[in-house]
Amino acid sequence: GAVVSQHPSRVICKSGTSVKIECRSLDFQATTMFWYRQFPKQSLMLMATSNEGSKATYEQGVEKDKFLINHASLTLSTLTVTSAHPEDSSFYICSATRQASTYEQYFGPGTRLTVT
Amino acid sequence: GQNIDQPTEMTATEGAIVQINCTYQTSGFNGLFWYQQHAGEAPTFLSYNVLDGLEEKGRFSSFLSRSKGYSYLLLKELQMKDSASYLCAVRGGYNKLIFGAGTRLAVHP
Repeated sequence: GAVVSQHPSRVICKSGTSVKIECRSLDFQATTMFWYRQFPKQSLMLMATSNEGSKATYEQGVEKDKFLINHASLTLSTLTVTSAHPEDSSFYICSATRQASTYEQYFGPGTRLTVT
Repeated sequence: GQNIDQPTEMTATEGAIVQINCTYQTSGFNGLFWYQQHAGEAPTFLSYNVLDGLEEKGRFSSFLSRSKGYSYLLLKELQMKDSASYLCAVRGGYNKLIFGAGTRLAVHP
């Protein structure tokens, strides 16, 4: 159990367009979901923390109007990169914690975003 | 501030033992995680330490000293498939994970 999926796995978009990435917990209810960004050969940087039914909490330096997060249910969170630019090209990974156990984060497979 | 340090790269020989160190200075501490990450993939959970001491899980062991802000991951009987990045992460407040930059391990025959 504890499987997290992301869709799409890869996306290429043109500069100025918006891209939505979905994160789903397939076999458990996720109390909290996290969104990370990872640039090549660097570690994961937390962007925001998302709880179902409430506004996401963004880390310092992350623009909330550019990276829109919606946590519509206990199994789905979405990240929308608005007006994407080439510098937004990165690997975006979500993770989720479940109600019964909050110490472990289960990671999705990641979404590779390329903005041309 | 938050600071997690681990070596950037390490190399080792198949069948050998390697120890990857991690030191941390964080404003809160609710446990330390080790993750394995292959290129282009999501991290996979290896171990979790919240109390001082050694946790053993098959070929992998992890040690924690909270007073020293220090942890290590020990990999025994190295296999070629162990070539990956190993991420040290500290859990702070609100379940947030703060990751180190990762250690790229290359295992050679």
